Amino acid sequence: KQEVTQIPAALSVPEGENLVLNCSFTDSAIYNLQWFRQDPGKGLTSLLLIQSSQREQTSGRLNASLDKSSGRSTLYIAASQPGDSATYLCAVRGDSNYQLIWGAGTKLIIKP
Amino acid sequence: EAGVAQSPRYKIIEKRQSVAFWCNPISGHATLYWYQQILGQGPKLLIQFQNNGVVDDSQLPKDRFSAERLKGVDSTLKIQPAKLEDSAVYLCASSLSGGTLSPLHFGNGTRLTVT
Repeated sequence: KQEVTQIPAALSVPEGENLVLNCSFTDSAIYNLQWFRQDPGKGLTSLLLIQSSQREQTSGRLNASLDKSSGRSTLYIAASQPGDSATYLCAVRGDSNYQLIWGAGTKLIIKP
Repeated sequence: EAGVAQSPRYKIIEKRQSVAFWCNPISGHATLYWYQQILGQGPKLLIQFQNNGVVDDSQLPKDRFSAERLKGVDSTLKIQPAKLEDSAVYLCASSLSGGTLSPLHFGNGTRLTVT
C-alpha cells in the first residue's frame, strides 16, 4: 500500500532564502507525482506535475525533482517571498489503479 | 473561466443531524471528485464520477454518506447521520476527463464542524 510522507510538517524561513520541501513515497511503481499549494480556507492549486520518466520540472521560481528509485521528490523554491506562505502537498499517482495518494503537507511560513 | 463552486462555505451541526453539500464543476468537465480533508492530513478521495456514473467510491462510508451527480453536472454529497469524526473540509474537484494527465481544479471547500 502506497504511503506518502512529507517532513517537516512546518517550516519557517526568512524572506529571500532558497528552500527545499521533501516528499517521500514507499512504492516506486508510480505514474506521476504532483505538487500542490493550499492557501488557508482555499482549495488546492496544482503547481508542478512530474511524469515517472522525468527527473524534474520547472515553473518560475519552483523546481520539482523526482528520484523514483529512492522514493523521493523535492520542491525547490528560490528567493522565497511572503506570498509563498502556504501549505504544500505532494500527491503520487500509482501506475496500476491511478489513484492519487496524498501527503499531509508542509506548512511554509516566509517571514518578511 | 469560472472555477469550481461549492456551497455552503461553513456548516456547524450537531451529531446525528444530516447535512448536504453542493458542487458545481467547471463547465464541460466530465469528471467530478469529492474529497474529505481532516485537519493536518492530506485529502482522501470519497467518490469519483465520470459524467453521472460512479468510477470509484471504495472509500465512501456508504452507511452514512451518499452522493449523486444528476445530469452529469452538479453534484451533492450528503451525510446522514453525522458523527463527530466527520468534522473536516469537504473539497470538490473537477477535471476535463478522468485521464491521468488531466489536471484537477479544486473548489474552496466546505468546512464542516460536528458538535
